[in-house]
Amino acid sequence: AQSVTQLDSQVPVFEEAPVELRCNYSSSVSVYLFWYVQYPNQGLQLLLKYLSGSTLVESINGFEAEFNKSQTSFHLRKPSVHISDTAEYFCAVSTGGGSNYKLTFGKGTLLTVNP
Amino acid sequence: DADVTQTPRNRITKTGKRIMLECSQTKGHDRMYWYRQDPGLGLRLIYYSFDVKDINKGEISDGYSVSRQAQAKFSLSLESAIPNQTALYFCATSDSGVLYNEQFFGPGTRLTVL
Repeated sequence: AQSVTQLDSQVPVFEEAPVELRCNYSSSVSVYLFWYVQYPNQGLQLLLKYLSGSTLVESINGFEAEFNKSQTSFHLRKPSVHISDTAEYFCAVSTGGGSNYKLTFGKGTLLTVNP
Repeated sequence: DADVTQTPRNRITKTGKRIMLECSQTKGHDRMYWYRQDPGLGLRLIYYSFDVKDINKGEISDGYSVSRQAQAKFSLSLESAIPNQTALYFCATSDSGVLYNEQFFGPGTRLTVL
């Protein structure tokens, strides 16, 4: 069985500060990893994903995440946040295979960017 | 237009009432899912469907039923709503031809059961 742990339920930061949202997973097989973002009163949108290849993946709005297999982590980072980054962020893991259907989510981290 | 739509977006109902939440998609995906989101609990899977004739229970199916009327439509019913079903409900889709199961979400339905 796979599971996802997001270590911080809330992360408050000031505008232009760096931020790291932590995510650890457990799985006995190879995984695909995702970060989804939920802006206030909206659905979930894919922010970025790790499938294979380079362990560092980037989004179009300046976030990046690094897959670390030995530490089973997929932490999300941004060097300088904006007010508009205020949202809830969900880490998720999926395993491949013919019967694969399950996307397991962490409980979410609420990022609040203050002026 | 949005690829995954949900109706209604907001609903207030009373205990014991039957309610249906609807989901439609134009992505051409064969797989569809219903989740509920509660504060601090993340997303939990209620039901999922691989195609029109293949429907499966998720983690928390008790008190819910679903119907896959067509490949593009997947509805969730609460036969007799109770207050602890107050939550944000999301529909999602994915393509079985994509190994890594990226899912695409609708905007959500906020349900309040009084």
